[in-house]
Amino acid sequence: AQKITQTQPGMFVQEKEAVTLDCTYDTSDPSYGLFWYKQPSSGEMIFLIYQGSYDQQNATEGRYSLNFQKARKSANLVISASQLGDSAMYFCAMREGSFGNEKLTFGTGTRLTIIP
Amino acid sequence: DGGITQSPKYLFRKEGQNVTLSCEQNLNHDAMYWYRQDPGQGLRLIYYSQIVNDFQKGDIAEGYSVSREKKESFPLTVTSAQKNPTAFYLCASSIPDSTPNQPQHFGDGTRLSIL
Repeated sequence: AQKITQTQPGMFVQEKEAVTLDCTYDTSDPSYGLFWYKQPSSGEMIFLIYQGSYDQQNATEGRYSLNFQKARKSANLVISASQLGDSAMYFCAMREGSFGNEKLTFGTGTRLTIIP
Repeated sequence: DGGITQSPKYLFRKEGQNVTLSCEQNLNHDAMYWYRQDPGQGLRLIYYSQIVNDFQKGDIAEGYSVSREKKESFPLTVTSAQKNPTAFYLCASSIPDSTPNQPQHFGDGTRLSIL
């Protein structure tokens, strides 16, 4: 079974609109962390936001927020007021277990295109 | 500025040839990782190292080898046993056993192609 599932291969969004990128995960470990990365066409991976399994509040970082629904095992990324520079691949990733396990499992990504 | 440097940016391999991808970091991170990315897919872990002189296989280690003789350096060799090496390779580093929200930091990648 896939540990990280991103069901939207591609999305087109009008500039200045909000966009939600879906991510569901599968783990039996009570301690885990969820990460979102942005990959522009140049290839580097840029860390955007983190949500821990024990965090009580949804994570926010500027225009990025995470809609964390633990019971549904989903961690959707919300980008508010999208900009042309947001066009990129977006990856959801999970780290299972507590300290000592730093390995990440990545989803297949969503290609986001912002339309002017 | 601190960061991760991967070289070369583009690399071409002939049949039966071993090639080595370089990864250097000056972030003083103990842990380093190598990922492979194929078109339309996410990143898959090849090898990782949490400390100097120690490394472990990831999910797709066959046909690859690594060394970790220095904290700053984690080179990846793509051997002739790797029959389908064409991919984008990303190196990353992190601080192990740190606060859980510490992300992995990535280099700019090396694109490997077969001649």
